[in-house]
Amino acid sequence: EAQVTQNPRYLITVTGKKLTVTCSQNMNHEYMSWYRQDPGLGLRQIYYSMNVEVTDKGDVPEGYKVSRKEKRNFPLILESPSPNQTSLYFCASSLSARPGQGAWGYTFGSGTRLTVV
Amino acid sequence: KNQVEQSPQSLIILEGKNCTLQCNYTVSPFSNLRWYKQDTGRGPVSLTIMTFSENTKSNGRYTATLDADTKQSSLHITASQLSDSASYICVVRGVAPLTGGGNKLTFGTGTQLKVEL
Repeated sequence: EAQVTQNPRYLITVTGKKLTVTCSQNMNHEYMSWYRQDPGLGLRQIYYSMNVEVTDKGDVPEGYKVSRKEKRNFPLILESPSPNQTSLYFCASSLSARPGQGAWGYTFGSGTRLTVV
Repeated sequence: KNQVEQSPQSLIILEGKNCTLQCNYTVSPFSNLRWYKQDTGRGPVSLTIMTFSENTKSNGRYTATLDADTKQSSLHITASQLSDSASYICVVRGVAPLTGGGNKLTFGTGTQLKVEL
């Protein structure tokens, strides 16, 4: 089944303790992206990757890191989590996001609910 | 600044009734517009995609309209069912410059629909 898999689904951690949220897709998609969703704000892009070894900042990148060593995986790293990073996180992938390739849809993972205390 | 505004913020209807959700956007240049359904705690799932030249598109009981001149879209749900209870998110894809960055998505904050018996 074509899907985007995130782990873990739920995570409670303490301030300052490094954590990684994994994201994997099995559709050979070039484009992957991380979003956070907060009440009343909609989804906001954290980082995105156009392809392997190509990553760039989204709208709210502060406090996050990503890597794209393989096409299928796009982990989100919080080096020193803080309470304001408590949120619902979604990974998404698309076949392509290059100009002229506008009609490709995004497949979203099921989400990771992170609580930082 | 590119924005997507949705109304109403929330809506309660009785099972079997119809409803219409609105989306106004300022994203320019415009590539396409999608409506997503997001069940509580799950990732968004695409319902329809509208490109610049399309006015109406249906997917079962869901019908989306687009007026690219006024930058407005609507999602009409016919004969609502309890399973339609979800958040409906309007997502507009802009056209990124050819210098890179990928096609940018701008998310609305969603309309929370509840269908009751």
